[in-house]
Amino acid sequence: DADVTQTPRNRITKTGKRIMLECSQTKGHDRMYWYRQDPGLGLRLIYYSFDVKDINKGEISDGYSVSRQAQAKFSLSLESAIPNQTALYFCATSDIGTSGFNEQFFGPGTRLTVL
Amino acid sequence: QKEVEQDPGPLSVPEGAIVSLNCTYSNSAFQYFMWYRQYSRKGPELLMYTYSSGNKEDGRFTAQVDKSSKYISLFIRDSQPSDSATYLCAMSTGNMLTFGGGTRLMVKP
Repeated sequence: DADVTQTPRNRITKTGKRIMLECSQTKGHDRMYWYRQDPGLGLRLIYYSFDVKDINKGEISDGYSVSRQAQAKFSLSLESAIPNQTALYFCATSDIGTSGFNEQFFGPGTRLTVL
Repeated sequence: QKEVEQDPGPLSVPEGAIVSLNCTYSNSAFQYFMWYRQYSRKGPELLMYTYSSGNKEDGRFTAQVDKSSKYISLFIRDSQPSDSATYLCAMSTGNMLTFGGGTRLMVKP
């Protein structure tokens, strides 16, 4: 079974609709992240959470919100979707190791298209 | 200017070739340097990481970091069609990652 799962895997929606992307993990990690990937731009951080009561904005948080329902669940919402939010969205988890290195484990991604 | 620059490719090579993938960066505070591999329709997976300057070898893969030039490289020896993927460099000061745009590599049989 996958350690980091995302639902849905694909979604097509219309401008103005509210969308929620969900992420679950069985790795037992405290830290969770949401990224979007656009061609040539790599992965850009939207929001991150270091524990259930901690939510932080990333590089491109405008137009997005998140909810950390439990250690294992982190949801991303687009309150009113717009076409330039069409992208691949990835959830990731991490737990800081003894060396201080932050390896992040990624889910399979959600392909979102906003018409 | 982006903090981490990476040539998007695509880079097409014959099977067995030596591949060189590179990134440059501007933030001298970066201490951890990573290479992620991403297959089509999959999430990125960590391939290798290096702390500070130097080389690290893992099988056919070698990662190099030159902090004085703010330049990192990934070399793939005896490339295989299964190496065809997008390679993303990433860097951090410890917690948050900054990614390059990714280089798409195609290894042809």
